[in-house]
Amino acid sequence: EAGVAQSPRYKIIEKRQSVAFWCNPISGHATLYWYQQILGQGPKLLIQFQNNGVVDDSQLPKDRFSAERLKGVDSTLKIQPAKLEDSAVYLCASSPQRGPTADTQYFGPGTRLTVL
Amino acid sequence: AQKVTQAQTEISVVEKEDVTLDCVYETRDTTYYLFWYKQPPSGELVFLIRRNSFDEQNEISGRYSWNFQKSTSSFNFTITASQVVDSAVYFCALSEISNFGNEKLTFGTGTRLTIIP
Repeated sequence: EAGVAQSPRYKIIEKRQSVAFWCNPISGHATLYWYQQILGQGPKLLIQFQNNGVVDDSQLPKDRFSAERLKGVDSTLKIQPAKLEDSAVYLCASSPQRGPTADTQYFGPGTRLTVL
Repeated sequence: AQKVTQAQTEISVVEKEDVTLDCVYETRDTTYYLFWYKQPPSGELVFLIRRNSFDEQNEISGRYSWNFQKSTSSFNFTITASQVVDSAVYFCALSEISNFGNEKLTFGTGTRLTIIP
């Protein structure tokens, strides 16, 4: 079974530029998550989708971040414009279904973003 | 609010030694789940274990074992006879039901484990 795919793996941009990350979850997984992991910290949830609907985007900086999951499969996370503090690894994860049974989340390799 | 504390920022041990990674959590939920993930240098978070709050039995999987103690709100992870391939950052995580009704993970800050050959 293929895992969670993410691209690109690395991205370097100047501040105020735009950037987009792509994620393809494990086939059949209804729930998709985007996390931000700043160096030295644990991942922090940015947004959670259930199929193509947003379940929780309470920690997404909506003035600059946006995400969509068209057709309930793959997803795109965009930052526009980027700030220095957005430098982090962006992890995508998927799980078969929504809680409350604490589905195991399976993570992709992440995209390491550096904002100069 | 949920909180996970991994007080050990970095640990180094010589290969074949045993090592224990500590995890202490805070929650007001009566039903919750605890997790351990491994993050090797490649960056991908690898699932290791999920434990229900009602199941306090210790678990062993090969060289890995987990000690869950509700009385002290701890979920510690021990690697026996460590190997170089165990070098990674290990994260403990706690599930919670958010105000939106969805389940979300709260991660600790991780423990970087280095196994010295």
